[in-house]
Formats: sequence, C-alpha cells, structure tokens
Amino acid sequence: DIVMTQSPDSLAVSLGERATINCKSSQSVLYRSDKKNYLAWYQQKAGQPPKLLIYWASTRESGVPDRFSGSGSGTDFTLTISSLQTEDVAVYYCQQYYSTSWTFGQGTKVEIK
Amino acid sequence: QVQLQESGPGLVKPSETLSLTCTVSGGSIKNYYWNWIRQPPGKGLEWIAYIFHTGNTNYNPSLKSRVTISLDTSKNQSSLRLTSVTAADTAVYYCAAALGYGSNWFDPWGQGTLVTVSS
Repeated sequence: DIVMTQSPDSLAVSLGERATINCKSSQSVLYRSDKKNYLAWYQQKAGQPPKLLIYWASTRESGVPDRFSGSGSGTDFTLTISSLQTEDVAVYYCQQYYSTSWTFGQGTKVEIK
Repeated sequence: QVQLQESGPGLVKPSETLSLTCTVSGGSIKNYYWNWIRQPPGKGLEWIAYIFHTGNTNYNPSLKSRVTISLDTSKNQSSLRLTSVTAADTAVYYCAAALGYGSNWFDPWGQGTLVTVSS
C-alpha cells in the first residue's frame, strides 16, 4: 500500500491568515503517461461525511471557494487555505488513487487561533 | 444529483456478520464505481472496497478475506458484508461514488451509518 502521511496533525490559524497542510506519499503518485498526480483532498466537518475539495492534486471541485488551492507533484503535496474563515474549521484528508488500493492520510485538524 | 443513503443494523455482536446497504438515487448505478469507506470514532478514513456494474471488484488487502461487496442494479443498491467482526470494526461506514477509469476520487458520499460491535 501507498502510505500517506500528513503534517501537521493539527494547526491553529488566526482568521484571515493562511493555513498550510502537507501530504507526503511513500511512493510517487504521478502517472508518467498522462502527467497527472493521482491525489485528492477532502474536508470533513464535525458530524458530516467528507467533502471533495480538490482532485488531480490541484483541480478545484466545482463550488469550492478559490481560497482553497492544491499544489505539489510526485510525493509531496500541499493544501493551502489562503485566508481562513470560520467555516473552514474541519479535518482535512489527502487521498491517493494511484494504486489499486486507495489510501488516505491520517488527517489534519484545522482550528481558529 | 446522485444521492447515497446507507442503511443497516447499528449494533452487531462480535464474531457475527455486518451487513449494510447503500441506496442510490438521482442517477444511474451504472455510471460510477461504488465504494465503501469506514471511519472508526475519532479516527481517520479507510477505504474498504469497490464494485462496478460489470461485476469488477477490488478490495483493501487488509480486509479482503472478510469482505464481500455486491451490486443490485434492479434496486439501485450496493451492499457490504463483513464477517467475523470484532470491536475494531466499530466505525461509521460510508458509501461513496467514484467515476472510475483513473478518476477515483470519492464524490458524492452518503451520510454514513454508525455500526457498533458489542455483545
């Protein structure tokens, strides 16, 4: 299995400030033939199912605010919230869909400082 | 807009079989790969398995020996069976759709159903 490791486990950010979450895969999730990174990001608020934010590492899902952005390639990826809002308090997960056994990171909890 | 709803017993005894159903509405069951994903209380997400309407299946190797996933296209339902459960199988179980053909992110998700394994 590809192991996904997120950092930090939690972070507290002031309203309007930037939040950065990292995700590292144990092997590359960049598929050479199509040059796509097989990585997605999800947001999970308390008591709710996860919500898709980003796929192909940097493509924002329709309706997701543009303060959310994804970057990175190969084994190292970042989810950035450019200006944290109250409604962004949640746990964020990365997920690889490169291998035939799909795996998630352990999650990063984002809170307001 | 595809919507998913999980259903099944909320309490299962140790060593018994957990059985859940995911009912799909608002779209054709043939358009997606149907997945089961679980989340133990306070913990992270674990993908369990998927099935496509062709009968193609794939299982998490760590659970493969105990899991069966099936699809009833006439009822627009996906089902999950997990045998020989223990307390470690206590979790919220979600069904989720994936487009397949490489586009294997999960969207949408059902609301999830909590299954507790306890005597």
